[in-house]
Amino acid sequence: QQQVKQSPQSLIVQKGGISIINCAYENTAFDYFPWYQQFPGKGPALLIAIRPDVSEKKEGRFTISFNKSAKQFSLHIMDSQPGDSATYFCAPRVGGSARQLTFGSGTQLTVLP
Amino acid sequence: GAGVSQTPSNKVTEKGKYVELRCDPISGHTALYWYRQSLGQGPEFLIYFQGTGAADDSGLPNDRFFAVRPEGSVSTLKIQRTERGDSAVYLCASSPDREGGYTFGSGTRLTVV
Repeated sequence: QQQVKQSPQSLIVQKGGISIINCAYENTAFDYFPWYQQFPGKGPALLIAIRPDVSEKKEGRFTISFNKSAKQFSLHIMDSQPGDSATYFCAPRVGGSARQLTFGSGTQLTVLP
Repeated sequence: GAGVSQTPSNKVTEKGKYVELRCDPISGHTALYWYRQSLGQGPEFLIYFQGTGAADDSGLPNDRFFAVRPEGSVSTLKIQRTERGDSAVYLCASSPDREGGYTFGSGTRLTVV
């Protein structure tokens, strides 16, 4: 499932630092671009999402930056905290009647205290 | 209930056996999804229900996999003649309508020995 390529595979950040995770996609029919957060033993939970008509969306410490021409979007976590340590997935979705999300392979984030 | 409930949380079965995995969505959510997550990977789409009908079953890997949602609420994923490669976490999610965000359950970890 190479429609979505996520990087890096793992990331270690000091408390208070900025975490940046990137997602590149191929399918130009994607029209909804979410990031999910998953803790061990739990299902993914929606963190933040963006539509392609805007280039950036901020919710608290979390920001999505979207570059339609480059077919890339990224998640920025400001002032990273140990509680942010989790696996993050980008999971864009095709518009119209299709409903399934196409998940990236995930980024394991560790925030050191 | 307050969230998506999946039972059992863990299932160990022998190769060749039949298993059923159950999903109780959030009350009132019309859309229900099944995904499969292998170790270290992102979830992969299996099937999507809108109400009682399977609106998209394109992700089911083969005819050993089948899912039902007879009354538009609880769904059961059925796997016949299980194989070791079926071992994974099976995730269920629901949303209030076609455009609503997903809420995932914690999954059923299936191990085929």
